[in-house]
Amino acid sequence: SQQGEEDPQALSIQEGENATMNCSYKTSINNLQWYRQNSGRGLVHLILIRSNEREKHSGRLRVTLDTSKKSSSLLITASRAADTASYFCATDAGKLVFGKGMKLTVNP
Amino acid sequence: NAGVTQTPKFQVLKTGQSMTLQCAQDMNHEYMSWYRQDPGMGLRLIHYSVGAGITDQGEVPNGYNVSRSTTEDFPLRLLSAAPSQTSVYFCASSSLLTGGFHEQFFGPGTRLTVL
Repeated sequence: SQQGEEDPQALSIQEGENATMNCSYKTSINNLQWYRQNSGRGLVHLILIRSNEREKHSGRLRVTLDTSKKSSSLLITASRAADTASYFCATDAGKLVFGKGMKLTVNP
Repeated sequence: NAGVTQTPKFQVLKTGQSMTLQCAQDMNHEYMSWYRQDPGMGLRLIHYSVGAGITDQGEVPNGYNVSRSTTEDFPLRLLSAAPSQTSVYFCASSSLLTGGFHEQFFGPGTRLTVL
């Protein structure tokens, strides 16, 4: 399966700290996407990085993609309590397949 | 725009019953899909469609049927509900890019319990 695997599965940090989440996958992809899910809600798209891109920024988010290592990382800088959520990577190789997600807790 | 809407929000079924989960989008998206989310399993793709009249199977299609008669609607049918289908179901839609999928817009989900 090409399913992305997020790492770590859970992360707890203090407000103001940076949070880094990693995603590894198995096959060649067209793009990789990151999503956030607040408890009990649908997923919300955060950022998309194409296979020919290495880094992308959006506000406090920074995503990198290393196609040689088949991995991506999502960095959230200066975290806030409102960033508490589950985060998923999704890989596009013909179908969009989501990982199992990782839970981020930001303590005030 | 309402985005992606799903009905019902909650549903309880008895084993063997059938039902249809409704999904509609008003963004003229070509691509629509259904996922189920179970604890520790992430989102698993059930069925998807790249346009009206075209559907295909995802990772876990057994026990589910779909049809796409219009661009806007993509209902998911449970033929004979089983306790293993207890889950939260999400519908999503997006436009299609050359060479890949665009960002997905998700509905609020349907929480289904099968007794």
